[in-house]
Amino acid sequence: DGGITQSPKYLFRKEGQNVTLSCEQNLNHDAMYWYRQDPGQGLRLIYYSQIVNDFQKGDIAEGYSVSREKKESFPLTVTSAQKNPTAFYLCASSIVKGVEAFFGQGTRLTVV
Amino acid sequence: AQSVTQLDSQVPVFEEAPVELRCNYSSSVSVYLFWYVQYPNQGLQLLLKYLSGSTLVKGINGFEAEFNKSQTSFHLRKPSVHISDTAEYFCAVSDLAETSGSRLTFGEGTQLTVNP
Repeated sequence: DGGITQSPKYLFRKEGQNVTLSCEQNLNHDAMYWYRQDPGQGLRLIYYSQIVNDFQKGDIAEGYSVSREKKESFPLTVTSAQKNPTAFYLCASSIVKGVEAFFGQGTRLTVV
Repeated sequence: AQSVTQLDSQVPVFEEAPVELRCNYSSSVSVYLFWYVQYPNQGLQLLLKYLSGSTLVKGINGFEAEFNKSQTSFHLRKPSVHISDTAEYFCAVSDLAETSGSRLTFGEGTQLTVNP
């Protein structure tokens, strides 16, 4: 079945450590996105990528980094510079000029 | 720039009652409109979308929404809810002029709780 796989589902890290969240899709989509979800704030766009080896900052990119070395993969690194990293992170993909985004199941990151 | 406002953060209803979840948007250009549903600790699932044409859009699980351009609204409705409809619902817009695919702007979400 085609879809988006995020791993791990739950992740715990100590403050000051970088952590990388995985996102893999087999939908053959060119565009991929990372959103952050906090209670009562909806989803906010962190980074997006329309094509391999290219990506753009979203609304809240500070403290995050991404790479897009393969069409299928769009990992997100939460760096120690992110002041409030504890959140639910959602990855999505779409065709570049498509109108529907498909979402993964999310990764809940807790920093202690 | 676009923005989305979901007018109710929580909506409690009894089973088999009708429900309306309200969404207003602001944009300087034409938009696509979406409703997504999220169950606890899950990703988002598309309920329905408005792209063009008929302003009444039907989606999955018996939900429908009506696009009102003059009021810049896209309210979600269901005539009779079930316990299983308990979830968080998100309204979202995508700028038609946006070239980066489905870059979505989301509302804050509405928690629908269906009580027996």
